Amino acid sequence: GAGVSQSPSNKVTEKGKDVELRCDPISGHTALYWYRQSLGQGLEFLIYFQGNSAPDKSGLPSDRFSAERTGGSVSTLTIQRTQQEDSAVYLCASSPRQLARSYNEQFFGPGTRLTVL
Amino acid sequence: GESVGLHLPTLSVQEGDNSIINCAYSNSASDYFIWYKQESGKGPQFIIDIRSNMDKRQGQRVTVLLNKTVKHLSLQIAATQPGDSAVYFCAENMGYTGGFKTIFGAGTRLFVKA
Repeated sequence: GAGVSQSPSNKVTEKGKDVELRCDPISGHTALYWYRQSLGQGLEFLIYFQGNSAPDKSGLPSDRFSAERTGGSVSTLTIQRTQQEDSAVYLCASSPRQLARSYNEQFFGPGTRLTVL
Repeated sequence: GESVGLHLPTLSVQEGDNSIINCAYSNSASDYFIWYKQESGKGPQFIIDIRSNMDKRQGQRVTVLLNKTVKHLSLQIAATQPGDSAVYFCAENMGYTGGFKTIFGAGTRLFVKA
């Protein structure tokens, strides 16, 4: 597709279960970002990947959260032992490249709405 | 700490009027600013950007103004239409060792009354 895609669009899970959220960035984009958006709130940065460099994990809220990006393309965000406060929309974005002082916009996917019961 | 924030969480305007959405940022080293529009159920979409070496940039019906002296950013929408109803986020790109990070503001919800 032409844009960033995410799956599933909605996920309902029980407290304590693990979930995996998937992001397919725009082909050729080397930078990939994950954000979390609680209801009516702004975007909370979680993690970003740039090419083959080590990811910036500074935004991950706890060690229950992890992400990987295979082959520089698809990314999976994993939340272990989900808690009710993890309920939010998880947004993925990609960007053509990210260099110091690079003027690049981010292209967002539609998000995955996670509900933890 | 570093932050990008908005003065008004909600804004209600009459169709056809001009809208102004404001944003304050705190990092004077930020050199790139972006406005995004987020419609219900969708991810944010790029509207317009501006580099720190500029004071004003115009797009189609939108204008972004940057005042570095007071660290203020604004988005002006001319002849606001019902389709402009959305949440608007400002964002700044801040450099750090190894790259840069984008920090988003809290967002302003724009309601357009017919």
